[in-house]
Amino acid sequence: GENVEQHPSTLSVQEGDSAVIKCTYSDSASNYFPWYKQELGKGPQLIIDIRSNVGEKKDQRIAVTLNKTAKHFSLHITETQPEDSAVYFCAAPGYGGSQGNLIFGKGTKLSVKP
Amino acid sequence: DGGITQSPKYLFRKEGQNVTLSCEQNLNHDAMYWYRQDPGQGLRLIYYSQIVNDFQKGDIAEGYSVSREKKESFPLTVTSAQKNPTAFYLCASTTGPGGNQPQHFGDGTRLSIL
Repeated sequence: GENVEQHPSTLSVQEGDSAVIKCTYSDSASNYFPWYKQELGKGPQLIIDIRSNVGEKKDQRIAVTLNKTAKHFSLHITETQPEDSAVYFCAAPGYGGSQGNLIFGKGTKLSVKP
Repeated sequence: DGGITQSPKYLFRKEGQNVTLSCEQNLNHDAMYWYRQDPGQGLRLIYYSQIVNDFQKGDIAEGYSVSREKKESFPLTVTSAQKNPTAFYLCASTTGPGGNQPQHFGDGTRLSIL
């Protein structure tokens, strides 16, 4: 089945700097890669996703890049702000016994210092 | 507004007691999911249901039970067989098989042992 590794587990940046979180996946057939943001005491919210027919997608200060050959995808946040502080999760489709589900990384706690 | 509602927000369980967590969605989604979240562990799948009256075990189903009698509702029962129930429980839904579609999450129920 799919295995999703996420790094780093914690990330601290100064306000205005960029933040990058990377995930790797194991199944070369995976074709959908969402990123979620979870604030304290709340459920994860989808912030951006990418399908395997494109290599990059942007939405204002957030971008996701996908390298299918290397089987990794990354979340890029530019001009970080204190309200970007949260836990971020990547995910990829499960196959085999997990078919029809998403497999989540273990999360990255991002802290943006003012 | 369409969304997923989980209740209660906080729940306490006594020794030997079964407790039920509610999840209701008005998004007209076919598939629904239950995840358990522990610090540093990411999201682990407990049960999922892709259509009414059908559900499948996830990775950590032992000590839990579910039902799917209505499309809108997917309650989770934490039984007395679950010896370590303290966690944050998240319900999600999606339009179709969740491996290639974004999942929408509720705001969770925090369960603690008395």
